[in-house]
Amino acid sequence: KNQVEQSPQSLIILEGKNCTLQCNYTVSPFSNLRWYKQDTGRGPVSLTIMTFSENTKSNGRYTATLDADTKQSSLHITASQLSDSASYICVVSRNTGGFKTIFGAGTRLFVKA
Amino acid sequence: NAGVTQTPKFRVLKTGQSMTLLCAQDMNHEYMYWYRQDPGMGLRLIHYSVGEGTTAKGEVPDGYNVSRLKKQNFLLGLESAAPSQTSVYFCASSPDRGAYEQYFGPGTRLTVT
Repeated sequence: KNQVEQSPQSLIILEGKNCTLQCNYTVSPFSNLRWYKQDTGRGPVSLTIMTFSENTKSNGRYTATLDADTKQSSLHITASQLSDSASYICVVSRNTGGFKTIFGAGTRLFVKA
Repeated sequence: NAGVTQTPKFRVLKTGQSMTLLCAQDMNHEYMYWYRQDPGMGLRLIHYSVGEGTTAKGEVPDGYNVSRLKKQNFLLGLESAAPSQTSVYFCASSPDRGAYEQYFGPGTRLTVT
């Protein structure tokens, strides 16, 4: 079954600290993996996208990694800011003739002053 | 350039009532999508469109209908609302299906009583 599982469900960190969010997937055949940030009451916004051949991608303080062999991805946030408080969603697309994108349930991150 | 807009932002319906959610995009994207987001679950695809005049079923299409009469607009209809359709609905668009980023609207919070 094609699934995307994220951990932890929620996380609280202090401002200035680093954190890492995890994404495990069983989606096959794999096409690409994206991380989105969703602020409360807003739609998701793309942070990074990686294809099979890419194992790391950065966007400012956000760095995503991908291990296609173990089907795991992580999103590392460096020097967190209060504005990083949001849900982070891992999204995996299948490489099929039809449309198939599977969304994880997200990790809710709270950054405290 | 407004991106993806959705109307209304909030709505409360009684069971059995009907309504239409409107999505508009000004990026000339071919693909448009309707998702629902429920607590503890990933976004689930309701219907999508690969171009003007076309629609296709997604993962959870029952109880919904869609139309794409103009390239920039994608309408989601609920013919007879049920409490199970209480959710936050997101519209998205993308230039193509592959690795392209999906751009999301701000969402519509629907409550069915």
